[in-house]
This record gives sequence, C-alpha cells and structure tokens, in this order.
Amino acid sequence: QVQLQESGPRLVKSSETLALTCTVSGASIRNEYWNWIRQPPGKGLEWVGYIHFTGSTKYTPSLKGRVTISVDTSKNQFSLKLSSVTAADTALYYCARSRYSGNDYDVFDYWGRGTLVSVSS
Amino acid sequence: QSVLIQPPSASGTPGQRVTISCSGSTSNFGSYTVNWYQHLPGTAPRLLIYNNNQRPSWVPDRFSGSKSGTSASLAISGLQSEDAADYHCAAWDDSLNGVLFGGGTKVTVL
Repeated sequence: QVQLQESGPRLVKSSETLALTCTVSGASIRNEYWNWIRQPPGKGLEWVGYIHFTGSTKYTPSLKGRVTISVDTSKNQFSLKLSSVTAADTALYYCARSRYSGNDYDVFDYWGRGTLVSVSS
Repeated sequence: QSVLIQPPSASGTPGQRVTISCSGSTSNFGSYTVNWYQHLPGTAPRLLIYNNNQRPSWVPDRFSGSKSGTSASLAISGLQSEDAADYHCAAWDDSLNGVLFGGGTKVTVL
C-alpha cells in the first residue's frame, strides 16, 4: 500500500524559507513523478510542481524563482523549499504521486494527508 | 490566467443523482483529459476519475465522468451519506504548462 507523509515546521516567519519533506512508503521513488500541491484556507487546490528521481522538475510559473523540489532516493523522500514566504503562502501542503495520463504526469493517484503551514509576520 | 470553473456547492438526498460541472477552455480541456478527486477534510484526497471517465479499482461504479468540448462533469448515482465531500476537477493546461485545478464543489447529502 502506497503511503505518503508530509513533515516539517508548521510555522514559518515572513521572508524566510518554508521547507517540507515527503516520505514515501510502499513504493519506490524511482518510479513515477512526485508532486507538491497546496490549498490556501478557503480556496482551491494549486499545483506547485513535480520531480522525477533523475532530478527533472517542473514548477508552476507563479512560484518560479522561489520554489525548489529535490529528491533523496536513499531515503525514498522528496522535499519542497519555498523562499521569501509571505502570508499568501499559508496553506495546507500536500505531497502526491502522479503517473502518466497520455498528456503528462498529471494523474495524482496517491496523496498524503497534508500539513498546514502558517506564515507569521 | 486559465481557470476551471466549478459550482461551489451541490446537494441531494440519499439515492438521488447529483451532477457536478467543470468548465474549462481550449488550453486545457480542448487538448487534454480531465481528472476528478474526492476530498474529505482532514484526510488525503483520493483519485476518483482519470482520463475523463476511467475509475480506479477502488472507486464504486456509482461515480462516472464525462467530457465534451471544454466542459466536463462528474455524476454520483445513488447518493450515499459517505459521498459528502469536496470534489475537485483538474487537467493539464498549456498556458500554465502544469496542472490546473477547479475551485472545488462541496457536496452535501441532505
């Protein structure tokens, strides 16, 4: 059974860097693609980006320049770093696995339960 | 910016059929397939429908999806109390060069 678990600080100060890790169990991180998705309070889901174990990444344009997703195959984990955070980055952050749909790697078949990260001034 | 438009809410009584719409554009639904996710707050979202109308093995056949042009819909037949959740549509988008989600529809079972 594939399981994903987010971990990291729940409170980050404005202008600092948000850092989260997703630990994958029941599947190898060398297969498929691995994503971060977030949901600000009261709003819809927003795709942040994905990574392949080879290091290939794709990010949503609105966060480019601030976001980095990396992978650690030895620990079967992948991570998110978001720099220069503001209150607008307060959200539930989910990690998810995606597989190829025929378009791109956009079918999220397994998700973590999410972790709420708040940005304080 | 491209957006996928969903109604904020939908409701029905047990046993009824509920349909949720998702309106897109040529940059997403015009070229790509739509996926649907079910989310109960506090839990992990789960894949409900992929490639417009395909169900993962864990999804009952009460759930069905369709797409026509730049619109898609999710239907829940024989509504049950455990179907009360948020439902999100999503698709790849050329303008974003990434995945675009709808705003989500909250389904209430009356």
